[in-house]
Amino acid sequence: ETGVTQSPTHLIKTRGQQVTLRCSSQSGHNTVSWYQQALGQGPQFIFQYYREEENGRGNFPPRFSGLQFPNYSSELNVNALELDDSALYLCASSLGGGAPDTQYFGPGTRLTVL
Amino acid sequence: RKEVEQDPGPFNVPEGATVAFNCTYSNSASQSFFWYRQDCRKEPKLLMSVYSSGNEDGRFTAQLNRASQYISLLIRDSKLSDSATYLCVVTRGGSYIPTFGRGTSLIVHP
Repeated sequence: ETGVTQSPTHLIKTRGQQVTLRCSSQSGHNTVSWYQQALGQGPQFIFQYYREEENGRGNFPPRFSGLQFPNYSSELNVNALELDDSALYLCASSLGGGAPDTQYFGPGTRLTVL
Repeated sequence: RKEVEQDPGPFNVPEGATVAFNCTYSNSASQSFFWYRQDCRKEPKLLMSVYSSGNEDGRFTAQLNRASQYISLLIRDSKLSDSATYLCVVTRGGSYIPTFGRGTSLIVHP
């Protein structure tokens, strides 16, 4: 167990809807990174939050947005869902910036867009 | 060309076999390198970092070849429990933003 939790576990939405995914980081970790993993692919970096500020963003459109709260938990919001948004969404928490060897992943939220 | 490329496999090997995976990266400014393991329908977990001098952790050996821009992972004496997808991860210089390969699937059979 990494101590990183995500909710919900599974979600089904339809095209055009909006979705919010949640991540609770490991105790003491102040950095959360979000990834999208399509079937048969590796995780793709969406963005990272460090102490409530966005600290880096991957090649994702603005309809992917996020938030980090004072307790360092985080949300990923996706507007105007498209079929290609169907994927496993992973968050990873770390301390101070999030180098890959310091990150602990949560179990993910599997999103299906119909 | 993708920034990080891996042969998706699957590599199907018997228990006790030695198997090697390669991963190539396109950005010569890449600075840090890692191997992750991901079990079916689970989250990725760090297997090992890859250092310039090469490093070993039990049955696992990782090597980096900067001149040819690839990293490798060697697994000796394969166990059934090694069956998983192995993800290569690269970060660019001055950034912690990781780029993952698509992963190489390993199936170890009795």
